[in-house]
Amino acid sequence: DAGVIQSPRHEVTEMGQEVTLRCKPISGHNSLFWYRQTMMRGLELLIYFNNNVPIDDSGMPEDRFSAKMPNASFSTLKIQPSEPRDSAVYFCASSFGGTQETQYFGPGTRLLVL
Amino acid sequence: AQTVTQSQPEMSVQEAETVTLSCTYDTSESNYYLFWYKQPPSRQMILVIRQEAYKQQNATENRFSVNFQKAAKSFSLKISDSQLGDTAMYFCAFMTVQGAQKLVFGQGTRLTINP
Repeated sequence: DAGVIQSPRHEVTEMGQEVTLRCKPISGHNSLFWYRQTMMRGLELLIYFNNNVPIDDSGMPEDRFSAKMPNASFSTLKIQPSEPRDSAVYFCASSFGGTQETQYFGPGTRLLVL
Repeated sequence: AQTVTQSQPEMSVQEAETVTLSCTYDTSESNYYLFWYKQPPSRQMILVIRQEAYKQQNATENRFSVNFQKAAKSFSLKISDSQLGDTAMYFCAFMTVQGAQKLVFGQGTRLTINP
């Protein structure tokens, strides 16, 4: 079975540019999560969706960040404009059932903003 | 707010030895889930083991087992017969049953298995 798929795996961009990260959850899963991992703050939840609806976006740092889930098999996390402090590894995870089921993580996108 | 603490930033053991990683957490909830995730150098987050707080029996998965002490809010991971492939960062994580499906992670323990 395919796991959570993320693209790109690596992204290098310049400050001020728009960055779009993509995620395909495991087929049949109906909850999707975006996490960010940095040395300073560790792993933190940015936003999560249940049945394509954003449920909790309290972890989104600021208005420069936005996330969408237009259908059950695709989600994007966009940063516009990007800043050097956004450099991090961004993980997408999915789970099944809408309850507190185990979250399965994608391989992550390593973002470097110069 | 829930917090998770891993007091051992780094550990190192010889191959085939047994190692225990510590984790404590703070919550006022009575029902919740606890997890250990492994992050090897590839950076992939891999689920190692999961424990439901309402279950008294400690979870086991092959060479991995936990010691869940609910009253002490402690959730340690024991790796038996350690292998070189166990070298990774290990994260303890907490999730409530009620409310947000949010994993709260500890800071991680970097485990090195030496040949």
